[in-house]
Amino acid sequence: GAVVSQHPSWVICKSGTSVKIECRSLDFQATTMFWYRQFPKQSLMLMATSNEGSKATYEQGVEKDKFLINHASLTLSTLTVTSAHPEDSSFYICSARDWGGWATEAFFGQGTRLTVV
Amino acid sequence: EDKVVQSPLSLVVHEGDTVTLNCSYEVTNFRSLLWYKQEKKAPTFLFMLTSSGIEKKSGRLSSILDKKELFSILNITATQTGDSAVYLCAVEEGTSGTYKYIFGTGTRLKVLA
Repeated sequence: GAVVSQHPSWVICKSGTSVKIECRSLDFQATTMFWYRQFPKQSLMLMATSNEGSKATYEQGVEKDKFLINHASLTLSTLTVTSAHPEDSSFYICSARDWGGWATEAFFGQGTRLTVV
Repeated sequence: EDKVVQSPLSLVVHEGDTVTLNCSYEVTNFRSLLWYKQEKKAPTFLFMLTSSGIEKKSGRLSSILDKKELFSILNITATQTGDSAVYLCAVEEGTSGTYKYIFGTGTRLKVLA
């Protein structure tokens, strides 16, 4: 199946700093990528939908100035957590679709565990 | 509001048992329903269902969709300890080139030796 690579797999940062997470589709072009956040023992919560060449669509309650998304090419989307605080500590996962037409599945990156201290 | 509800939330069984996981949904523009298995990290894809009544099967796992009653089930027969994981149901919804996946809360399955 298609491969989505997410980097880094884990990061620890100091409160107030910014962290960038990359999501790459390795063997297909992804016009759309999704960013999720997952708290322990909870499901995946969609944060935003990232569209190549245009602004991301954020879900209700997600601060777009805090979670900056850039989808500069068909194979790369980045999520930057700005001015991170301990409450931003979470597991962030991206996914991408191989846009083959009707109802293709999304493939997930390995996830990034962010710890803000 | 679109939603996906899974049940049970958690389940403990013994090796060899058969389990049935449930997923019901209410979405405006249904496109497909997907099942994923999540162990320690990112979810891995199991099945994608688009049509009612057609069972998808992979080894000991099988799944079916009922678009009239708006639910799907995931069956695991002869469970093994390696089946222990969180099973996530997601519904893809949207129109006109704008799509997204809505995930259920997951069912946490633990299989005891």
